[in-house]
Amino acid sequence: QSVLTQPPSASGTPGQRVTISCSGSSSNIGGNFVYWYQQLPGTAPKLLIHKNNQRPSGVPDRFSGSKSGTSASLAISGLRSEDEADYYCAAWDDSLSGVIFGGGTKLTVL
Amino acid sequence: EVQMVESGGGLVQPGGSLRLSCEVSGFTFSSYWMHWVRQAPGKGLEWVSRINSDGSYSSYADSVRGRFTISRDNAKNTLYLQMNSLRAEDTAVYYCGRGVPWDHFDRRAEIAPWGQGSLVTVSS
Repeated sequence: QSVLTQPPSASGTPGQRVTISCSGSSSNIGGNFVYWYQQLPGTAPKLLIHKNNQRPSGVPDRFSGSKSGTSASLAISGLRSEDEADYYCAAWDDSLSGVIFGGGTKLTVL
Repeated sequence: EVQMVESGGGLVQPGGSLRLSCEVSGFTFSSYWMHWVRQAPGKGLEWVSRINSDGSYSSYADSVRGRFTISRDNAKNTLYLQMNSLRAEDTAVYYCGRGVPWDHFDRRAEIAPWGQGSLVTVSS
């Protein structure tokens, strides 16, 4: 069981907006930056959002991140078929003194 | 262009050892923290270990502490993971990843980019 809790699955139709939640605690999300990773089928993870809500260069502005208290969320607007992937949230955990990941959310584009 | 290429994976018996390598190019290797992250078949991501830019400090997940050792050779632009006393539950794809620069606050889950991964299978 992961320290960060994500829904196992999410879905939407092309053009829709979907959100993926990530719940943690004061020792991780509550006191540290949240990161989001996208893992397309058969490939290595890729950094999607850093420092809660910043997009690396090359990431479309359809992707956005937010954080409030001990929870965070990833929003994808204008959903496209190529967004079908696994999405992971991550944060530093002060109690564990290490990086922790959420269990991952499999996004299906219907 | 940043490139990170893992090697050294394969099939090993329980209790055996294996050393993974991650050779990097395209950035100043000696200026960055580095990480290992693994993914068991069909499962999520699990952070394994990290090491600072000059190799003087490292930390581990509880699941591997005392069995795995991370190290680096900055002259060879290469990161290593020595894995001993391997167990079936260590079976996974192991990814190396670049962390933050040496002069940045290091307690972050920032890993980018990632290598392509190396499969380690522990089985008799």
